[in-house]
Amino acid sequence: DTEVTQTPKHLVMGMTNKKSLKCEQHMGHRAMYWYKQKAKKPPELMFVYSYEKLSINESVPSRFSPECPNSSLLNLHLHALQPEDSALYLCASSLYEQGEQFFGPGTRLTVL
Amino acid sequence: RKEVEQDPGPFNVPEGATVAFNCTYSNSASQSFFWYRQDCRKEPKLLMSVYSSGNEDGRFTAQLNRASQYISLLIRDSKLSDSATYLCVVNTNAGKSTFGDGTTLTVKP
Repeated sequence: DTEVTQTPKHLVMGMTNKKSLKCEQHMGHRAMYWYKQKAKKPPELMFVYSYEKLSINESVPSRFSPECPNSSLLNLHLHALQPEDSALYLCASSLYEQGEQFFGPGTRLTVL
Repeated sequence: RKEVEQDPGPFNVPEGATVAFNCTYSNSASQSFFWYRQDCRKEPKLLMSVYSSGNEDGRFTAQLNRASQYISLLIRDSKLSDSATYLCVVNTNAGKSTFGDGTTLTVKP
């Protein structure tokens, strides 16, 4: 299995909703990432889980919270989002933190 | 100054042309370097890792110049299917991944 899967593909939510994005890989990779990508912009790193240690981009607001239940799964919990949070959310994994990253297809999120 | 800067593009070239993209980085502690391609509304896909000795994969050649802190990607004999946005990625030894803004390539018949 050489792919990263993400669910859901699309998500529309209101500003008061709580939702979660899911990411899974079975390549034995030890680092997993969440990125946010706005249209015509490059992906922007939000969080890194590497060997069970979380690294945070300090510019990411607390309404986003990652969770790593095990080394194959990575969730992103969303709460009280704003319309400007609408974007493509990409998950990626790599064998180790410096390595080549493989991306999932992304979740296209719209916040109303 | 941005940590990673790419040629702004866009590049519009005819089929069969050779095109080169450059990417400079500011953090001398950067450890690993990659080129990705991203098609419209799709995820980035790894194109090549970039090594100090340079590496080639078919029509694609990637090079790293640590002294001048830049990486390059050369595409020979461009195909229509090469049309995409090309992103350089630089990783520091602290595990931080930074993407360049991307360069859009359009190959025309």
